[in-house]
Amino acid sequence: DVKVTQSSRYLVKRTGEKVFLECVQDMDHENMFWYRQDPGLGLRLIYFSYDVKMKEKGDIPEGYSVSREKKERFSLILESASTNQTSMYLCASSSNLQAFFGQGTRLTVV
Amino acid sequence: AQSVTQLDSQVPVFEEAPVELRCNYSSSVSVYLFWYVQYPNQGLQLLLKYLSGSTLVKGINGFEAEFNKSQTSFHLRKPSVHISDTAEYFCAARETSYDKVIFGPGTSLSVIP
Repeated sequence: DVKVTQSSRYLVKRTGEKVFLECVQDMDHENMFWYRQDPGLGLRLIYFSYDVKMKEKGDIPEGYSVSREKKERFSLILESASTNQTSMYLCASSSNLQAFFGQGTRLTVV
Repeated sequence: AQSVTQLDSQVPVFEEAPVELRCNYSSSVSVYLFWYVQYPNQGLQLLLKYLSGSTLVKGINGFEAEFNKSQTSFHLRKPSVHISDTAEYFCAARETSYDKVIFGPGTSLSVIP
């Protein structure tokens, strides 16, 4: 089974903190994605990566950055967390036109 | 794909009744279409996908969807729902030449005993 693992299920951070969300996949997929999920808005793409050290902005990249130093790991970074970044964050990797999702990280910024 | 619309944000239905969850997409190029399901406190799981060929696609758990190019729709159906089908359902689309998936806002299906 393909496995996409997000390092934390729940996180609580303070406004202004630098936050790292980690995602690891075990199937050697080239494409990896970070989405945020908010009620009534579905999933919105923050960033994606199609190869190591390659990244591309999604629809809502403001306030976020990413890092992909190794093929299996894709990190999402909130440079200075704000309350409007409180959300569910989902990581995915894809191959053969199918995306596999992690369990999600519910981040609360207070 | 430029946008995906799911007209119904919430759909309550009695157990063993049929259900249809509606999805429409907007795109100027050819697309692949997907339905994902998200059970409470879990990630998304692929239900079915349309890539090409037959417009009626069968997926897991008894779900099926029909691609209608003229109406730019990809509605999801199940003839008889179970309590365990209670979940959030997302329609998604991506262009055939570019691996960027656009998701709809989701439909919350509640199956009533």
